[in-house]
Amino acid sequence: DVQLLESGGGLVQPGGSLRLSCAASGFSFANYGMNWVRQAPGKGLEWVATFTSDRARTHYADSVKGRFTISGDNSKNTVYLQMNSLRVEDTARYYCARWSKPYSDGFGVEFDYWGQGTQVTVSS
Amino acid sequence: EIVLTQSPDFQSVTPNDKVTITCRASQSIGTSLHWYQQKPDQSPKLLIKYASQSISGVPSRFSGSGSGTEFTLIINSLEAEDAATYYCHQSSGLPQTFGQGTKVEIK
Repeated sequence: DVQLLESGGGLVQPGGSLRLSCAASGFSFANYGMNWVRQAPGKGLEWVATFTSDRARTHYADSVKGRFTISGDNSKNTVYLQMNSLRVEDTARYYCARWSKPYSDGFGVEFDYWGQGTQVTVSS
Repeated sequence: EIVLTQSPDFQSVTPNDKVTITCRASQSIGTSLHWYQQKPDQSPKLLIKYASQSISGVPSRFSGSGSGTEFTLIINSLEAEDAATYYCHQSSGLPQTFGQGTKVEIK
């Protein structure tokens, strides 16, 4: 079975950093593009970042560009989200989500599996 | 950025009712439109892909239609377990975007 397990969330002060991890299992991780999607308390879903299957391209929402970095380690079947210069408005539950098709650049593709999420709270 | 606007924002319905949720895109996205269900304290779950394609394991009372800029999610014969928030999602272009969500409450 496909499983995505996020970790690394917590409470951090404004301006601080956190690194989230998403450990994948049950599929050929190296062949799939991976994403981070967040949800602020009581709000809707917001796509944050994408890491394509060839691991050569990354894309970011404007709200996090220059502050967040998505990366991955195929040997550990893990995707990461390094979050720097955190702001109060980054407070959210962060989900890891997989594109449904292998070797995809993401255009036209849906998210078929999601993790349970990890909570990030930015507050002084 | 492609903006997705769902209507209504909230719907209170009786079991066995039919629910219709609309998602309008600010520009044409073909059929690169997907629907998710999110129950309280759970992760989103894929319901419909490419506007109208069913997903294995999802009850047949869920169906989708549309193309271009207007899309519809229909829940036939609503059941109590369908109480959730429903989101549309477009992957036609970057950034990928979601609708604001439609909360369906059971009376």
